[in-house]
Amino acid sequence: GQQLNQSPQSMFIQEGEDVSMNCTSSSIFNTWLWYKQDPGEGPVLLIALYKAGELTSNGRLTAQFGITRKDSFLNISASIPSDVGIYFCAGQYPGGGSNYKLTFGKGTLLTVNP
Amino acid sequence: GAVVSQHPSRVICKSGTSVKIECRSLDFQATTMFWYRQFPKQSLMLMATSNEGSKATYEQGVEKDKFLINHASLTLSTLTVTSAHPEDSSFYICSARGEGRSGLGQPQHFGDGTRLSIL
Repeated sequence: GQQLNQSPQSMFIQEGEDVSMNCTSSSIFNTWLWYKQDPGEGPVLLIALYKAGELTSNGRLTAQFGITRKDSFLNISASIPSDVGIYFCAGQYPGGGSNYKLTFGKGTLLTVNP
Repeated sequence: GAVVSQHPSRVICKSGTSVKIECRSLDFQATTMFWYRQFPKQSLMLMATSNEGSKATYEQGVEKDKFLINHASLTLSTLTVTSAHPEDSSFYICSARGEGRSGLGQPQHFGDGTRLSIL
């Protein structure tokens, strides 16, 4: 099956620093999604990417859909304490026959020191 | 933005009890709903996919008789954990997606999860 490699596994940064995390896949996806999960809650969608090469921003967050369709990155600028959480990338299989199932990365745990 | 409501948020019950979890899409029609299970410090593991009005498709290794899924309407799916045992204790999360006007798929939006603890 398809596998997603997400890195880094965890990050410890100071407030105000920029953060970058990425995901790579052994196969192509037609959609990349980035979610954030706080403890005891469900993942919240941050950014959705639908086209190879697409660069999309959501406030201090920027994500890109790799041109090869096998990778994506998420950047967070000027981090703040509430950015703490687990960030997951997810890729969606090409075509609708698989019911748009998602493959998730293993997550990046972000800790921001005030 | 799209809102998915999941209820209850936490359940504690005795072994042998059956537990029903509801997942509702509040402001859109969900053509497809998904049920995930998440163990501590791990990623989400897809259990099953359900389309409104049809039988759910279960992932390999997931017992369909243990985890009953019903998707009776475009806004409601339920997961029933039958005769739950301690090993079924976990964090269960649903998600829902609709269809865009252009026919393209929409991203999955997640509920807040249900913490199930079986004593």
